[in-house]
Amino acid sequence: VQLVQSGGEVRKPGESLKISCQGSGYSFNNYWFGWVRQVPGKGLEWMAIFNPVDSDSRYSPSFEGHVSMSVDWSTYTAYLQWSSLTPSDTAMYFCAIRPAVTASPFHFWGQGTLVTVSS
Amino acid sequence: QSALTQPRSLSGSPGQSVTISCSGSSNDVGRYNSVSWYQHHPGEAPTLIIYDVTKRPSGVPDRFSGSKSGNTASLTISGLQAADEADYYCCSYAGTYLPYVFGSGTEVTVL
Repeated sequence: VQLVQSGGEVRKPGESLKISCQGSGYSFNNYWFGWVRQVPGKGLEWMAIFNPVDSDSRYSPSFEGHVSMSVDWSTYTAYLQWSSLTPSDTAMYFCAIRPAVTASPFHFWGQGTLVTVSS
Repeated sequence: QSALTQPRSLSGSPGQSVTISCSGSSNDVGRYNSVSWYQHHPGEAPTLIIYDVTKRPSGVPDRFSGSKSGNTASLTISGLQAADEADYYCCSYAGTYLPYVFGSGTEVTVL
């Protein structure tokens, strides 16, 4: 199993951004994608999970309405998207996958994408 | 949804044991036997080392063990090794609509 995330990004406040996470080595429809944020010097925060089969999703209240998720079945790629970044979005973002069973943990993780938002 | 409470840091000498606590509530740790633990070496991807409170994924040494009592889960690392120096995070299932809550993280130092 491999999750390969897109490279680091630098954006200005107010700009949009889409980062990606491409999965391989597993059955795409048996796992949900999750996204986890780590602000520099801080801990891991769960952001959201997404079922690529039916687009069912759950968001942490801290992130709902500020980010959105999508998938591209043709490339086994999940996306996390912002329409308007703020400096507080500066962080490392990890994608991860968990089995399509309620309460499952995140078994596999990507290497992370560093997002820097600065004017 | 507040983070689960972990000690900020712990240390031990090689060969010793350390136990990391993870304090939650009756809405998460206390309600579900779905506590997991992740080891995170800075700059790398986190790795799952314990799930469902006590289970170890394939390849994780049995030096790592988990337990739970009431609203508090624990991770014990026995026979500390230099490679165990990392950040450790607990994570609990917290229900259908807000599925996950992570702990605040514990930095383990091997002296």
